[in-house]
Amino acid sequence: AQTVTQSQPEMSVQEAETVTLSCTYDTSESDYYLFWYKQPPSRQMILVIRQEAYKQQNATENRFSVNFQKAAKSFSLKISDSQLGDAAMYFCAYRPGNNDMRFGAGTRLTVKP
Amino acid sequence: DTAVSQTPKYLVTQMGNDKSIKCEQNLGHDTMYWYKQDSKKFLKIMFSYNNKELIINETVPNRFSPKSPDKAHLNLHINSLELGDSAVYFCASSLHMTYEQYFGPGTRLTVT
Repeated sequence: AQTVTQSQPEMSVQEAETVTLSCTYDTSESDYYLFWYKQPPSRQMILVIRQEAYKQQNATENRFSVNFQKAAKSFSLKISDSQLGDAAMYFCAYRPGNNDMRFGAGTRLTVKP
Repeated sequence: DTAVSQTPKYLVTQMGNDKSIKCEQNLGHDTMYWYKQDSKKFLKIMFSYNNKELIINETVPNRFSPKSPDKAHLNLHINSLELGDSAVYFCASSLHMTYEQYFGPGTRLTVT
């Protein structure tokens, strides 16, 4: 069974606009961690943002922020003021406690100039 | 300085050969991992090592074996390579199991 679901295989955004990438996960754990990773064409996996499940406050990193809805098991990524360099595959990842990390299938983001 | 490095970045080889991919991290992390990313970009964990102990081993063929000579290295050995082994292999490390993982640049393996 798929633990992490990214329902948008592809998304597109105009430069300088805002885009939200969706992620839902399935778990019975109360203690876990969530991440968004970016993979540009260079194929390097880059950590974008991290969220601990016990924290109610949504994580933010500059233009990147998340909307973490624990009850709904939802963890979306919002990119504000999109830049051409934001074009990449974005992977949502879930890690329960000391167990292995599970990745979603990814969302390919295109940024239009 | 590169935090997590892998060599080689590209590897082309024939079926039946044995090959190794090296990974090194200079972050002082205590846990290292190997992932396989298939042609559809799906990432799947293969192994992880914590303090030189194998702690996760997914349903990976025993032709694949991780070897950790020390805390900073986790090499991946693959015996009797098959066409289906073609993929990008990523090494990663984390300070502890629950912390975020930092990835190497990946090794694109092509088996002909």
